Amino acid sequence: GQNIDQPTEMTATEGAIVQINCTYQTSGFNGLFWYQQHAGEAPTFLSYNVLDGLEEKGRFSSFLSRSKGYSYLLLKELQMKDSASYLCAVRDGDYKLSFGAGTTVTVRA
Amino acid sequence: EADIYQTPRYLVIGTGKKITLECSQTMGHDKMYWYQQDPGMELHLIHYSYGVNSTEKGDLSSESTVSRIRTEHFPLTLESARPSHTSQYLCASSEYGEAGELFFGEGSRLTVL
Repeated sequence: GQNIDQPTEMTATEGAIVQINCTYQTSGFNGLFWYQQHAGEAPTFLSYNVLDGLEEKGRFSSFLSRSKGYSYLLLKELQMKDSASYLCAVRDGDYKLSFGAGTTVTVRA
Repeated sequence: EADIYQTPRYLVIGTGKKITLECSQTMGHDKMYWYQQDPGMELHLIHYSYGVNSTEKGDLSSESTVSRIRTEHFPLTLESARPSHTSQYLCASSEYGEAGELFFGEGSRLTVL
C-alpha cells in the first residue's frame, strides 16, 4: 500500500505563492497526481508526474523526485477561488490510486 | 468535460434498508472505482474494476458489493444499511494510458438513520 503525507492546512495572501509538499512511500510507483477539491464537490485533476522534474501548467506547477519519494505543488498568483483542499495521490503498479488526507489552502485578501 | 453520473445525489434512509448507488460513464473507460469520503477526511478506495466482469476490493474494507456487467455501469449495493455507512460515495473512471487521470462523479451523500 501507500503512505502519503502532506500538511493539513496552509494560509496565504491573494497574489502570493504557496508550495504544498507531499511525501510518499509505496510498494510500486506508477505516477503521482494532484487534485483540487472544493468543499462539497468532487475532486478535479490538476497535474500528473511520472518522471523526475517539474511540470508546469499555467499558474500551477508540480515537481517529482522519485528517489526521495517527494513531490510538491506550486500555486502562483493566488486567487480567492484557489481556496480549496489539494490532494496528493499516488498510483501503484496495479493502477490503483491512493490519496493523501489533503491540504486545505485558505487564500486571504 | 467528464461524463460520469451518479444517482442519487442525496439519500436519507432507515437502518436495514437495501440501497443501490448508481454510477454511469459515457467515455468508454475500462477502469472504474468507488471511493468513500467522510467530511474533511481523505478518500478511501473501497472497490475497483478493470473491465466487464472484473471487480476487486479496495484498501478500505466495506460491506458494500459492486457489479460490472456493462462497461458504462458500475453500481454499488448495500444489502442492509447501518448508521456507520453514512458517508459520501464517489465514483470515478479512467482510461489506460500514460496519465489516465480519474474523472469523478459528483458523489452520492448517504445518511442512514
